[in-house]
Amino acid sequence: TQTVSQSDAHVTVFEGDSVELRCNYSYGGSIYLSWYIQHHGHGLQFLLKYYSGNPVVQGVNGFEAEFSKSDSSFHLRKASVHWSDSAVYFCAVSASSNNRIFFGDGTQLVVKP
Amino acid sequence: EAAVTQSPRSKVAVTGGKVTLSCHQTNNHDYMYWYRQDTGHGLRLIHYSYVADSTEKGDIPDGYKASRPSQENFSLILELASLSQTAVYFCASSDAGREGQNTLYFGAGTRLSVL
Repeated sequence: TQTVSQSDAHVTVFEGDSVELRCNYSYGGSIYLSWYIQHHGHGLQFLLKYYSGNPVVQGVNGFEAEFSKSDSSFHLRKASVHWSDSAVYFCAVSASSNNRIFFGDGTQLVVKP
Repeated sequence: EAAVTQSPRSKVAVTGGKVTLSCHQTNNHDYMYWYRQDTGHGLRLIHYSYVADSTEKGDIPDGYKASRPSQENFSLILELASLSQTAVYFCASSDAGREGQNTLYFGAGTRLSVL
C-alpha cells in the first residue's frame, strides 16, 4: 500500500516570497503523483500531476512540482506567492497497479500581505 | 465547465437517524467517488462507482451505503448515523480509467454534524 506524508501542517509566508510545500511518499512501484488545492469552504481542485518524463511539472497559477525518485518526494513550489494562494494543499499518490489514490493530511498555506 | 454539485451543503442529523447525501455531475464522467474528510486530515475513500447501478467499496465503507441510479447521480446513505460520522463529505468524478491516473473533479462538500 502506498502512503503519502506532508510534514508541514502549516506554512506562513509573506506575499512575494517563494514557498515550497513538502510531500514524501512510500511505494516501490510506478506511481502517479498529484497536487490539489482546497480554498476554505470549497472542494479540492487539481493543480498538477506527474507520472513519467520531465521530473519538473508545471501547473496552474505559477505552481510547479519536482519529482525525485531518490528522495521519494514530490515537492510543490511557487516563486512568488500571492495572498490568493492561501489555501490547503494536498499531495496525492496512486500506484499504477491499483485503483486507489491516497491523500496526505494537507498543508495549510497562509500568505500574509 | 465541468461541475459536481452536492446537496445539502450542510446537515445536522440525530444519532440513529438516516442521512442521504446527494451528488450530481454534468461532466459525463463514468467514475464517481465519495470521500470523507476529518478536521486536519486528508481524504479517505468510502465508496466509488464506475458505472450506473453498480458501486464498489472503498477504504472505509463500514456504516455507509452508496447508490448510483444513473451516470449523473451518486448518493451516500448513512442508515444509522453515529457521532463518529461527523465530518465533511466530498463527492468527485473522473473520466473512465483508473482512479489514480485521472484528474478528480470535486464538489464543494457537505458538512455533516451528527448529534
